[in-house]
Amino acid sequence: QKEVEQDPGPLSVPEGAIVSLNCTYSNSAFQYFMWYRQYSRKGPELLMYTYSSGNKEDGRFTAQVDKSSKYISLFIRDSQPSDSATYLCAMSLTGTASKLTFGTGTRLQVTL
Amino acid sequence: DAMVIQNPRYQVTQFGKPVTLSCSQTLNHNVMYWYQQKSSQAPKLLFHYYDKDFNNEADTPDNFQSRRPNTSFCFLDIRSPGLGDAAMYLCATSREGGYTFGSGTRLTVV
Repeated sequence: QKEVEQDPGPLSVPEGAIVSLNCTYSNSAFQYFMWYRQYSRKGPELLMYTYSSGNKEDGRFTAQVDKSSKYISLFIRDSQPSDSATYLCAMSLTGTASKLTFGTGTRLQVTL
Repeated sequence: DAMVIQNPRYQVTQFGKPVTLSCSQTLNHNVMYWYQQKSSQAPKLLFHYYDKDFNNEADTPDNFQSRRPNTSFCFLDIRSPGLGDAAMYLCATSREGGYTFGSGTRLTVV
């Protein structure tokens, strides 16, 4: 079993839709949970991070962590064509600067 | 702008011919990482440096080596590339709050 499993997609939604991206993990010691966005032919860029359980909102993006279920989600509201990218979840034991374990990524396409 | 720069963006090498990928950073971060990312797979950590302290992942093949001559530069050497080493290689630096990745070098082995 992989340490981090991510719904692989790909996902295609119309502009304006609400998107839900999810990861599950097996290591209960993970404390920091991140979402990275990767455009084609680019390196990943950090979207959001959360420490332990709870929700965090940033504009159209909401990250949720449920440690009891070992499940994290990223919601994108009012999705835009510019949101078309691969989204990677990542987790760390000791901090956002520490070694990360990534999911495989979900490719999202937002169509006009 | 402070950033992480990887060169070249695309590298084609022959099977078995040594190749070096380079990474530089203007962020003055202590920690630098090299990840390998194959198509539709999660980025896989190869090694990382904390300052000059080198940390190799247990499953990183011996074929892969790295050098960090100073804070700003880091190199990934592949001594004898095989077809299975074709991938995107990502360099990153980190501080609390997250990683900064370069744009990657896409390696093709022919």
